[in-house]
Amino acid sequence: GAVVSQHPSWVICKSGTSVKIECRSLDFQATTMFWYRQFPKQSLMLMATSNEGSKATYEQGVEKDKFLINHASLTLSTLTVTSAHPEDSSFYICSASGTSGVMTYNEQFFGPGTRLTVL
Amino acid sequence: DAKTTQPPSMDCAEGRAANLPCNHSTISGNEYVYWYRQIHSQGPQYIIHGLKNNETNEMASLIITEDRKSSTLILPHATLRDTAVYYCIVRSTGTASKLTFGTGTRLQVTL
Repeated sequence: GAVVSQHPSWVICKSGTSVKIECRSLDFQATTMFWYRQFPKQSLMLMATSNEGSKATYEQGVEKDKFLINHASLTLSTLTVTSAHPEDSSFYICSASGTSGVMTYNEQFFGPGTRLTVL
Repeated sequence: DAKTTQPPSMDCAEGRAANLPCNHSTISGNEYVYWYRQIHSQGPQYIIHGLKNNETNEMASLIITEDRKSSTLILPHATLRDTAVYYCIVRSTGTASKLTFGTGTRLQVTL
């Protein structure tokens, strides 16, 4: 299957600072990338969908000015949590779908996740 | 996308087959059944998907009823490493199609 990486795997920051999380597709071209958030003991909640070269589409209730998403290339998407506060502490997970040569991956492949703790 | 219903938890003895059911009675004709699993504190892992025929890969088998209103994921020989939350998701095809995660089934494999 296709491989997706995330960096960093965990981050601790002070309240009011911004944090950038990277999501990379290692062996395929990610035409679409997705960002999810997961609070403890809860399921994954989709935050936004981004297509390479286009603005992200945010789910209802997700502040686009707080969670900045950039998908400037077919292998990289970034999520920046701006002015982070303790309530933003969560597990952030990206996924990607796309193509590799003649093969199309309709299923989403997930990164390992980034645990954000805001003090 | 159609909703799915799964039991909240199941137990399975190591070495036995784990059969995880899923109901998706409102599935529409162009929607596929996808299965993912999430091991604690990791990103979800794709397992298998199907439209109407039964599917098998190196990880599992997927049995879809003829009316497509329910399906069963089968792990033929469960191991302790299969302990995870298993999500059954119905979605239309296409790289931009969203996944909507429910609460899933927590499978505990025991010795």
